[in-house]
Amino acid sequence: GAVVSQHPSRVICKSGTSVKIECRSLDFQATTMFWYRQFPKKSLMLMATSNEGSKATYEQGVEKDKFLINHASLTLSTLTVTSAHPEDSSFYICSARTSGGPQHFGDGTRLSIL
Amino acid sequence: SQQGEEDPQALSIQEGENATMNCSYKTSINNLQWYRQNSGRGLVHLILIRSNEREKHSGRLRVTLDTSKKSSSLLITASRAADTASYFCATDGGLGGYNKLIFGAGTRLAVHP
Repeated sequence: GAVVSQHPSRVICKSGTSVKIECRSLDFQATTMFWYRQFPKKSLMLMATSNEGSKATYEQGVEKDKFLINHASLTLSTLTVTSAHPEDSSFYICSARTSGGPQHFGDGTRLSIL
Repeated sequence: SQQGEEDPQALSIQEGENATMNCSYKTSINNLQWYRQNSGRGLVHLILIRSNEREKHSGRLRVTLDTSKKSSSLLITASRAADTASYFCATDGGLGGYNKLIFGAGTRLAVHP
């Protein structure tokens, strides 16, 4: 149980494009979802926390207008990287949990901006 | 810094040997968790140890926690080539339950056949 699906697994696009990444909890209702960014051979850096039906809480230094997060239902959160540039290239990972439960992680999305 | 420290940063051993990874953190915690990440993949939860526990076992994994020193260790016994991965500790400092995780820098483990 507790499967989190993240899509797409890989995306390559041109500079200036906006890219949407989906995170779905397949067999449980996720009251909270988290979005992380990971640079090569580095740890996970929390970008934002989103609770269903409310605005996301962004970590210090993360541009909320650049990284739009929507958590419209208990099973889906999306991260949109707006007007992406090469410096936005990274590995993005989501996680989801129920109230009072542990985080379950998706398989990540490798974003490459040319 | 958001992150704790892990050492070693990289560890290379032969199959059958034990691998020990250490993690230190800075704030008080509710629990500490260890995760594994294969290259280019998401994280797999390995084990959780609560702040009032000192040691926990799961199969070939043994985790210790010393809250006075704000440190934890993960021991993998009788390692296998399939154990090759990055290992991260993550602390949960929330008041009860599960909350935001703060990840350590990670240890890259290579197990050679």
